[in-house]
Amino acid sequence: NAGVTQTPKFQVLKTGQSMTLQCAQDMNHNSMYWYRQDPGMGLRLIYYSASEGTTDKGEVPNGYNVSRLNKREFSLRLESAAPSQTSVYFCASSLSVRDTIYFGEGSWLTVV
Amino acid sequence: AQSVTQLDSQVPVFEEAPVELRCNYSSSVSVYLFWYVQYPNQGLQLLLKYLSGSTLVKGINGFEAEFNKSQTSFHLRKPSVHISDTAEYFCAVRRSQGNLIFGKGTKLSVKP
Repeated sequence: NAGVTQTPKFQVLKTGQSMTLQCAQDMNHNSMYWYRQDPGMGLRLIYYSASEGTTDKGEVPNGYNVSRLNKREFSLRLESAAPSQTSVYFCASSLSVRDTIYFGEGSWLTVV
Repeated sequence: AQSVTQLDSQVPVFEEAPVELRCNYSSSVSVYLFWYVQYPNQGLQLLLKYLSGSTLVKGINGFEAEFNKSQTSFHLRKPSVHISDTAEYFCAVRRSQGNLIFGKGTKLSVKP
């Protein structure tokens, strides 16, 4: 009963390094999302994929890219990490854009 | 544009006391409203949701919320809290594209 699985859970990067956060869901959901959470800011949408083959920008897409690899997997890439990208990242999914959104456990990223 | 305002960033309360966490939204269209809970170092878990129908919505762990269209509010209530309710609570409104817009969160601290 995995639900939404994110890897890695913790990562420390140096400024300018690149990395990819992986996300997979086993609920046969069509829609997937990436959010970031910062203290006092709530969660803000980075990118989302309403269905396989489509991706769209959210509120804070700058500095990120995404790939909807297949129906199960939705990855988030930081091409050149900056300290401002230090955050907790959450992947989420839903059956459709009208259904309940389920969240992963989060990935803690620190950029030094 | 849709937005969500959580009126209290922190709410301290004694065990077995009632609690209300306040949420106001702005939207020019029909709304779908949600409350999520986040326990320390974990992902978000859905507490309850309002899509249509009865304005009083019951959720998990004894929580309930009332949708008030005239006051554009969706306050979360529990008649008697437990230590285990200590967590951060997020109110969210769903956009037509499907993704959620979150408030900045309310930290509920239940003291013995």
